[in-house]
Amino acid sequence: KQEVTQIPAALSVPEGENLVLNCSFTDSAIYNLQWFRQDPGKGLTSLLLIQSSQREQTSGRLNASLDKSSGRSTLYIAASQPGDSATYLCAVRPATGTASKLTFGTGTRLQVTL
Amino acid sequence: DVKVTQSSRYLVKRTGEKVFLECVQDMDHENMFWYRQDPGLGLRLIYFSYDVKMKEKGDIPEGYSVSREKKERFSLILESASTNQTSMYLCASSFGLGGQVVSTDTQYFGPGTRLTVL
Repeated sequence: KQEVTQIPAALSVPEGENLVLNCSFTDSAIYNLQWFRQDPGKGLTSLLLIQSSQREQTSGRLNASLDKSSGRSTLYIAASQPGDSATYLCAVRPATGTASKLTFGTGTRLQVTL
Repeated sequence: DVKVTQSSRYLVKRTGEKVFLECVQDMDHENMFWYRQDPGLGLRLIYFSYDVKMKEKGDIPEGYSVSREKKERFSLILESASTNQTSMYLCASSFGLGGQVVSTDTQYFGPGTRLTVL
């Protein structure tokens, strides 16, 4: 059974700092990996999706990398801002099976302080 | 933009009540999902549907049922609510092809319903 772990569970950084969030998964037979953002009391917003054949994806100040063989992904946030404060979740989709079943990590709660 | 709406943001029910949570999406997506989210446990899949009247159990289906009579609407039903079903419930939808894998598939989430069972 796939297990997804995110470390650290919480992180507080001063504005402007570059930071890295980590995601690890136990079964490397994945189709893709996604990073989501969740603001308090709200739903999830997709940030980046990396296919299993890709090494990284970039969107603005965000860069996500994937090392499928070692079961790891990182989300790099450059020049952090207070508006980046949220919980970040990673999710993996298995290489087999129907529809879009995802297995989620428990998230990293990020606070960016002024 | 994809829009996924859920019928209530907050809901308070009593033990034993039958509870309906409604989800509607406006992008003609085939796939729809119901998750619950609990502190320390993350999101767990309850049920999903890849077509009208088609459904599959997720990881924690016990105590729940679902209904999908129309493509845009997916309902989660708690037949007899219990206190351990107090949680945040999230609905999502995604493009699909009758259950086939789609490479650019991403899930779009609703705002969530926070259900409290007393």
